[in-house]
Amino acid sequence: QKEVEQNSGPLSVPEGAIASLNCTYSDRVSQSFFWYRQYSGKSPELIMSIYSNGDKEDGRFTAQLNKASQYVSLLIRDSQPSDSATYLCAVSLNFGNEKLTFGTGTRLTIIP
Amino acid sequence: DTGVSQNPRHKITKRGQNVTFRCDPISEHNRLYWYRQTLGQGPEFLTYFQNEAQLEKSRLLSDRFSAERPKGSFSTLEIQRTEQGDSAMYLCASSWTENTEAFFGQGTRLTVV
Repeated sequence: QKEVEQNSGPLSVPEGAIASLNCTYSDRVSQSFFWYRQYSGKSPELIMSIYSNGDKEDGRFTAQLNKASQYVSLLIRDSQPSDSATYLCAVSLNFGNEKLTFGTGTRLTIIP
Repeated sequence: DTGVSQNPRHKITKRGQNVTFRCDPISEHNRLYWYRQTLGQGPEFLTYFQNEAQLEKSRLLSDRFSAERPKGSFSTLEIQRTEQGDSAMYLCASSWTENTEAFFGQGTRLTVV
């Protein structure tokens, strides 16, 4: 079993709709959860972090965490063509161990 | 710009040659990480420094790889006797003790021919 799992996609969403990206993780003691956006040929860009169960909103982005289900999600509202990218879910143990374990990423395409 | 800086951006080398990459973290960040990313995969952890101390090294990292952060500021990653399988994007990230968010540099793309 992979430590962090994501659907590789591609996920196609019409412009203006809500894009929903999902991630599951295997290590129950994981404490910190991140979403990174990566454009083709570029490096990952941090867009959201979440540490507690529930929702965290930042502009058009909402991260959701359910530690009991070991599940993290990212919602992108009012999707724009510029949101087309690969979205990487990353997890860390956060007990003095800050290394990130990444999923393989979900490729998102916003259709104009 | 005070972001994470990596040099060079691209490196093409012949198999068997040694290469060295440099990373300059965000100035107030005391933690520095190296990752490697191949096509279609997420970044894979290589090693981690807090100040000048190398606190963790991935078991996947062969003896041909070495990293240093001599003064707790910039870091170098050296690969000796490069192999074609070393071709990848090498990413550096930094963070600081009070915040777990890590920010990546632009990466160094290595091609071994």
